[in-house]
Amino acid sequence: QKEVEQNSGPLSVPEGAIASLNCTYSDRGSQSFFWYRQYSGKSPELIMFIYSNGDKEDGRFTAQLNKASQYVSLLIRDSQPSDSATYLCALITGFQKLVFGTGTRLLVSP
Amino acid sequence: DADVTQTPRNRITKTGKRIMLECSQTKGHDRMYWYRQDPGLGLRLIYYSFDVKDINKGEISDGYSVSRQAQAKFSLSLESAIPNQTALYFCATSVGEKAFFGQGTRLTVV
Repeated sequence: QKEVEQNSGPLSVPEGAIASLNCTYSDRGSQSFFWYRQYSGKSPELIMFIYSNGDKEDGRFTAQLNKASQYVSLLIRDSQPSDSATYLCALITGFQKLVFGTGTRLLVSP
Repeated sequence: DADVTQTPRNRITKTGKRIMLECSQTKGHDRMYWYRQDPGLGLRLIYYSFDVKDINKGEISDGYSVSRQAQAKFSLSLESAIPNQTALYFCATSVGEKAFFGQGTRLTVV
């Protein structure tokens, strides 16, 4: 079982819509959860992190964490074409490794 | 100057050759990681190190070795390169919720 699972997509949304990206994980000892954005050929960049159950909002981004269901999500409101990228879910496992999912490719059409 | 520097940025090598990818950081972080990225497979952990004397295998360590020469330097070696090691390689450091990535090394094994 993979430590972090994501749907590879692509997820296509029109400009202005809400994009919803999801991630599940297997290690219940995981404490820290992250969303990275990666443009093709570039390094990942951190956009959100969350430690506690519930929602965390930062501008157009909202991260949601449900530890009981082992589920993390990222909502992007008012999606823009510049949001088109691959979004990587990551976490620090109970053994303190930083591991990533396969990423979900998001396409925002004008 | 970049906080995490990878050298070389691009490399083409022949099957069977030994190659070393180097990573250096100016962040003063203890934790360092090597990942490889293939299309559709996200970032897969090769090796990670929590300090100079603590080196651990990740999910895909076969065919790779590492050396943590100092807190600031973490090198990845391919002892005998093979074509399916063609990939984009990233080095990263982390502290707390923040991970810092190098620019990546694009390695092609022919």
